[in-house]
Amino acid sequence: AQSVTQLGSHVSVSEGALVLLRCNYSSSVPPYLFWYVQYPNQGLQLLLKYTTGATLVKGINGFEAEFKKSETSFHLTKPSAHMSDAAEYFCAVSSYGGSQGNLIFGKGTKLSVKP
Amino acid sequence: GAVVSQHPSWVICKSGTSVKIECRSLDFQATTMFWYRQFPKQSLMLMATSNEGSKATYEQGVEKDKFLINHASLTLSTLTVTSAHPEDSSFYICSARGLGGNNSPLHFGNGTRLTVT
Repeated sequence: AQSVTQLGSHVSVSEGALVLLRCNYSSSVPPYLFWYVQYPNQGLQLLLKYTTGATLVKGINGFEAEFKKSETSFHLTKPSAHMSDAAEYFCAVSSYGGSQGNLIFGKGTKLSVKP
Repeated sequence: GAVVSQHPSWVICKSGTSVKIECRSLDFQATTMFWYRQFPKQSLMLMATSNEGSKATYEQGVEKDKFLINHASLTLSTLTVTSAHPEDSSFYICSARGLGGNNSPLHFGNGTRLTVT
């Protein structure tokens, strides 16, 4: 069975500050890991994903995440927050080819950015 | 880029009526579409997997007679909430995968907010 835990349902940062959203996973097989962003009343947009290979993954909008197997973590970071980054972020895990619909989502972290 | 259109974006209906939500892949063919439900401040829960031309596969605990899914073409899947009740009020999101199989990325619709009064 797989699961995802996102630490902190709400994170608040100042504009220009570092963004760190935490995600830990549990998986009995090599995981495929994803970060999605959701703006109010909208669907999900893929930020980045890890399948195999390089453990540091770069995504859109300046976000990146590092897969750390020893820590079972896939934390999302961005060096400098922008007001437009305010949204809900979901970490997800899948055991299939990177694109299966049976993604297991975390409960989400709402990011607020203060001016 | 690939676009998934979901319609309507919001709907209010009376208890006991049925509501149909459409999910269309606008510029690609989708062999597989997925339906999710999202409660306020909660994560997305996969409800069912819909494959074109075959019956949908429902997740455990999802009533297939309550949530009817039809995937009649490679660009359209529909979710019908039958005899809706207030507890069915939620945000429903679809996603679609192209013809490339598991290596094709998922594209999400913008969701439908259903309110049952």
